[in-house]
Amino acid sequence: DAGITQSPRHKVTETGTPVTLRCHQTENHRYMYWYRQDPGHGLRLIHYSYGVKDTDKGEVSDGYSVSRSKTEDFLLTLESATSSQTSVYFCAISDRGAAPNSPLHFGNGTRLTVT
Amino acid sequence: AQKITQTQPGMFVQEKEAVTLDCTYDTSDPSYGLFWYKQPSSGEMIFLIYQGSYDQQNATEGRYSLNFQKARKSANLVISASQLGDSAMYFCAMRRRERDDKIIFGKGTRLHILP
Repeated sequence: DAGITQSPRHKVTETGTPVTLRCHQTENHRYMYWYRQDPGHGLRLIHYSYGVKDTDKGEVSDGYSVSRSKTEDFLLTLESATSSQTSVYFCAISDRGAAPNSPLHFGNGTRLTVT
Repeated sequence: AQKITQTQPGMFVQEKEAVTLDCTYDTSDPSYGLFWYKQPSSGEMIFLIYQGSYDQQNATEGRYSLNFQKARKSANLVISASQLGDSAMYFCAMRRRERDDKIIFGKGTRLHILP
């Protein structure tokens, strides 16, 4: 158990509303990631963080922002949710930093539906 | 740009047979890591096995082994003596040794083990 908690686990929201997903880790690791999973696309990186207040974009970052004010928390915000953002969102941490041999450990995911 | 390709969207295999899941990758970076993850129907992402680009031997973890052919840029997952519990989605992923730490995933292969 990698000590990663995502909240909420499920959320239904309306188009145009802001949504914030939270990822909390108890491992004190520097690197944290947000992915989205969609059928036929696998997992795609949205944003990642390599330390407090240090974040960078992934391959599908449009429409999303992130914040990392504490080592243990990484927040993903959809400023104005759209139906195309309906997805399963996974948070992950890396237990050996950016080393190539460092696997990701995932939270249990958040299923977001935008109506 | 780096890329991961899994060419088998779905596979059906008889229980107790060996299974090979294909993964090819593309990167110009000499140092990288390759990973396989399992996602059962319950949705969690489970890390299975890792192979480093400089590793001389193929990685093994219990019934899982990685057939690493560096010149062909392939990293196929082999599951020996398949079990019903191996039915799941399997993802190949790649990580490079550089600050731009974007870990990318293939689109996955859904494996069905038949009794």
